[in-house]
Amino acid sequence: GENVEQHPSTLSVQEGDSAVIKCTYSDSASNYFPWYKQELGKGPQLIIDIRSNVGEKKDQRIAVTLNKTAKHFSLHITETQPEDSAVYFCAASGDSGGGADGLTFGKGTHLIIQP
Amino acid sequence: GAVVSQHPSRVICKSGTSVKIECRSLDFQATTMFWYRQFPKQSLMLMATSNEGSKATYEQGVEKDKFLINHASLTLSTLTVTSAHPEDSSFYICSADRLDLTDTQYFGPGTRLTVL
Repeated sequence: GENVEQHPSTLSVQEGDSAVIKCTYSDSASNYFPWYKQELGKGPQLIIDIRSNVGEKKDQRIAVTLNKTAKHFSLHITETQPEDSAVYFCAASGDSGGGADGLTFGKGTHLIIQP
Repeated sequence: GAVVSQHPSRVICKSGTSVKIECRSLDFQATTMFWYRQFPKQSLMLMATSNEGSKATYEQGVEKDKFLINHASLTLSTLTVTSAHPEDSSFYICSADRLDLTDTQYFGPGTRLTVL
């Protein structure tokens, strides 16, 4: 099955600086890569996603890049703000041919924005 | 759009009792819903995939007789934890896959289950 590795486990950056979180996946058949933000005691919130036919996607301060050959994808947050502090999870899913697949998650990155 | 609700948000029960958790997609239809489990400070682990009108598919190691899943409509799935024990205490989160956006999963707010 799929295995997703995520680094770093904790990331502390100064407010206004950029943050980068990296993930690798093992199953070359995976074709969908979402990123979620989770605040304490709440469910994950989808912040951005990318599919395997695209190399990069951007939404305001957030961007995701995908390298299918190397099987890794990254989340980039620019101009970080205190409200960006949370746990971020990357995930991957494949195409079983029978419809939607469940997600395999990375272990998460605790992002801390220092004021 | 893409709001998923869960009820209850918190539940405390005695060992041996059963607990039902509801997951609803409020503003979209979902042929597929998923149930995940998350222990403190850990990642989400997929428990089962629920398709409307058919039997759920369980991940390896998840007991189907203990975690009963029913997906009666395109907007509702339920998870029943039967004969709950303290080790079942966890954060249970559902997600719904939008019918018009395959693979895009929107998560509910989660249900904190504590078994005494």
